[in-house]
Amino acid sequence: DADVTQTPRNRITKTGKRIMLECSQTKGHDRMYWYRQDPGLGLRLIYYSFDVKDINKGEISDGYSVSRQAQAKFSLSLESAIPNQTALYFCATSDLGRTDTGELFFGEGSRLTVL
Amino acid sequence: GNSVTQMEGPVTLSEEAFLTINCTYTATGYPSLFWYVQYPGEGLQLLLKATKADDKGSNKGFEATYRKETTSFHLEKGSVQVSDSAVYFCALSIYGQNFVFGPGTRLSVLP
Repeated sequence: DADVTQTPRNRITKTGKRIMLECSQTKGHDRMYWYRQDPGLGLRLIYYSFDVKDINKGEISDGYSVSRQAQAKFSLSLESAIPNQTALYFCATSDLGRTDTGELFFGEGSRLTVL
Repeated sequence: GNSVTQMEGPVTLSEEAFLTINCTYTATGYPSLFWYVQYPGEGLQLLLKATKADDKGSNKGFEATYRKETTSFHLEKGSVQVSDSAVYFCALSIYGQNFVFGPGTRLSVLP
């Protein structure tokens, strides 16, 4: 089983619908992240959380919200989806700064299409 | 602010050819540098990393050297295989926080 699991893997929805993407991890890491990948733009950070009580906005948080339900679970919500939110979304985890590298571990991605 | 620039793709090579993907960065402080690889239909996975100037990261025949004087971290492989076809991302982080990714370079290796 994957250490970082995302559901759903693929979702097609309509403009205005509420969508939730879920992420769970078995790595025991405190830090969790949501990224968005668009062709030619690399990965852009939406939100990140360093522990259950700590939620921070990334560079493109508008139109998104998150919930850290437990150390192992971090959900991303689109309250009212719009077509330009069509993208590939990744959840990632890392250690709590125990090394100076903080390597990221990624899920397999959730492809969202908003019509 | 911090940023990463890498060569635009796609890059198409024949099997056993030499690969270079250029990466340069701008950062305040002393970043750690990474190359991540994304195979089709999968998430990103760490390929190699370097944490200080002149360090060389290596894995699966790929290498990259942290060059502070030229703010570069170019990825190289002496002989690519079809199985190396993927998207490669250069990235940096400052003390394990604030990861910044380049736009990615798609590599296709033909038999």
